[in-house]
Amino acid sequence: QTVVTQEPSFSVSPGGTVTLTCGLSSGSVSTSSYPSWYQQTPGQAPRTLIYNTNTRASGVPDRFSGSILANKAVLTITGAQADDESEYYCMLYLGSAISLFGGGTQLTVL
Amino acid sequence: EVQLVESGGGLVQPGGSVRLSCAASGFTFGSYWMTWVRRAPGKGLEWVANIKQDGSEKYYVDSVKGRFTISRDNAKNSLYLQINSLRAEDTAVYYCARVVAALRKWHFDLWGRGTPVTVSS
Repeated sequence: QTVVTQEPSFSVSPGGTVTLTCGLSSGSVSTSSYPSWYQQTPGQAPRTLIYNTNTRASGVPDRFSGSILANKAVLTITGAQADDESEYYCMLYLGSAISLFGGGTQLTVL
Repeated sequence: EVQLVESGGGLVQPGGSVRLSCAASGFTFGSYWMTWVRRAPGKGLEWVANIKQDGSEKYYVDSVKGRFTISRDNAKNSLYLQINSLRAEDTAVYYCARVVAALRKWHFDLWGRGTPVTVSS
């Protein structure tokens, strides 16, 4: 069974840079997985941050960026702010209209 | 305004059924794949089901096959999720979302606020 892997939690200092990763248990992540990233704070709907590996969704600050590094999708937050404290989910396209989310990363800014 | 609004959730007994609805507005609903995603308490997001623009193709996560049915009515700009034989593990907030599906593209770009389903006796 394919699993999308993410770090369960991460901490970053205000103004710091953090890199969250998204891997695939059965192989490597590539651009053909169309990695996308979503942010969700408690009680809120998910918010789309990044799609197609590295394209920012409308209205997303440029401190959020996406890439592929060492066979994983990566979300980088540069100059973290207090309101970036949230859960971050990656999603991969597995083909045939099937999507799979990672388990999410709880990011703490302190 | 471009938005999705879910409804139909609530408290349901184990083994019961519920039909969730998602009303779309502000965009050409019939031009998009649509999807349902859920989040159970203490767990992460889980993709549940997709449906093609004309309803001709439907896909489900393995854990709900045979119990969940996704459907749509493009004339009413509405998406539905029929859930039968409800189990405690179906307790979750259910979100509908719009899918961007095109050449070399696949992601969810518009989300509703969700409707909660609680399965309990």
